Amino acid sequence: AQSVTQPDIHITVSEGASLELRCNYSYGATPYLFWYVQSPGQGLQLLLKYFSGDTLVQGIKGFEAEFKRSQSSFNLRKPSVHWSDAAEYFCAVVFSGGYNKLIFGAGTRLAVHP
Amino acid sequence: ETGVTQSPTHLIKTRGQQVTLRCSSQSGHNTVSWYQQALGQGPQFIFQYYREEENGRGNFPPRFSGLQFPNYSSELNVNALELDDSALYLCASSSRLAPYNEQFFGPGTRLTVL
Repeated sequence: AQSVTQPDIHITVSEGASLELRCNYSYGATPYLFWYVQSPGQGLQLLLKYFSGDTLVQGIKGFEAEFKRSQSSFNLRKPSVHWSDAAEYFCAVVFSGGYNKLIFGAGTRLAVHP
Repeated sequence: ETGVTQSPTHLIKTRGQQVTLRCSSQSGHNTVSWYQQALGQGPQFIFQYYREEENGRGNFPPRFSGLQFPNYSSELNVNALELDDSALYLCASSSRLAPYNEQFFGPGTRLTVL
């Protein structure tokens, strides 16, 4: 079955530290890959996306993600976290051959210590 | 350019009642998707509407139904509400003209079923 796994439910980092959020998907082919961020009481904001080409993609707010086909992974990274990055982060995929249906992981809640 | 808007922001209903949630798509978008986000989980795809017709459905019972209007706005209707229907309901709009139908999310409607 097509699925998305975010192994880390909660992550806490200190402000200024680096961050990596993990995402793995289960599918035979390469899907379209996305990272969204959700602040409390807010909708989802797209951070970045991967369709094809360069496997390292840059997004907004200083985030980047790397697609690794061999590991079926699309991990999100940021070299230096700011307190305003505290939020919930969702990895999502769209699998080819169907309509535009996003499949989300369960999310990773990021807390940032001053 | 106006983004995706949803109404109402919050709603409280009791079991067995019916509810209608509304979504106005972003200017220029002709496709609307609805997602249910239960507490502590990632959003789950309910269905999608394109040109006023349902264009794909997730694993939700028939008491979840929808409409899309000629101006591309949309409604989500839920009949015979159950306690488990308590969730944040997200609407997303997209355009079929884009290479990939990137979805833009509204702020959501928080439904509480008592």
